Amino acid sequence: DAGVIQSPRHEVTEMGQEVTLRCKPISGHNSLFWYRQTMMRGLELLIYFNNNVPIDDSGMPEDRFSAKMPNASFSTLKIQPSEPRDSAVYFCASSLDLAWTDTQYFGPGTRLTVL
Amino acid sequence: GENVEQHPSTLSVQEGDSAVIKCTYSDSASNYFPWYKQELGKRPQLIIDIRSNVGEKKDQRIAVTLNKTAKHFSLHITETQPEDSAVYFCAASTGATSGTYKYIFGTGTRLKVLA
Repeated sequence: DAGVIQSPRHEVTEMGQEVTLRCKPISGHNSLFWYRQTMMRGLELLIYFNNNVPIDDSGMPEDRFSAKMPNASFSTLKIQPSEPRDSAVYFCASSLDLAWTDTQYFGPGTRLTVL
Repeated sequence: GENVEQHPSTLSVQEGDSAVIKCTYSDSASNYFPWYKQELGKRPQLIIDIRSNVGEKKDQRIAVTLNKTAKHFSLHITETQPEDSAVYFCAASTGATSGTYKYIFGTGTRLKVLA
């Protein structure tokens, strides 16, 4: 089992540029979550999907952030335009479904630095 | 909405001693409480979890207790070892009654085990 796969692992970009983060959930998992981790705010849930449908995007900070899940094996988180305060580690996680005890498995994260 | 508080933010113990991390939650509907361990530069990984119908759960040197009345739960690590050094996150899961599934994470505890 390859686990949750994220790419790129590191991204350095300049303010104003578009950034796209990618995630492949564990095969057979129906739910996918995007988190952002910073020292100041800890782990924040940005958005989550179930069966490729966005369920709750209330954690998305601004309209500059958007996420899609075009199929069961791929999701993207896009920031356009990026700002220095978006610098963080972005984690993708997946779970079997949305049963309240379904464990979330995290990917390795993408460390984003916006200069 | 749910709010999870975690204490202490940092904890240093001598190797072989016990460590206790405490979390409180606000939403009485929360009914699943996972604990994640995050080593430096790595992904959060589930180490133990507890459901609301159980008061205590143990897995080797790790145990979790839950007091639903007081709305708090704790992680206990006995006979600590240097490899236990990491950041530990508690979380509370809503969803069984509200229908909106989320993990709300605590702010993390940085545990240092001193050799």
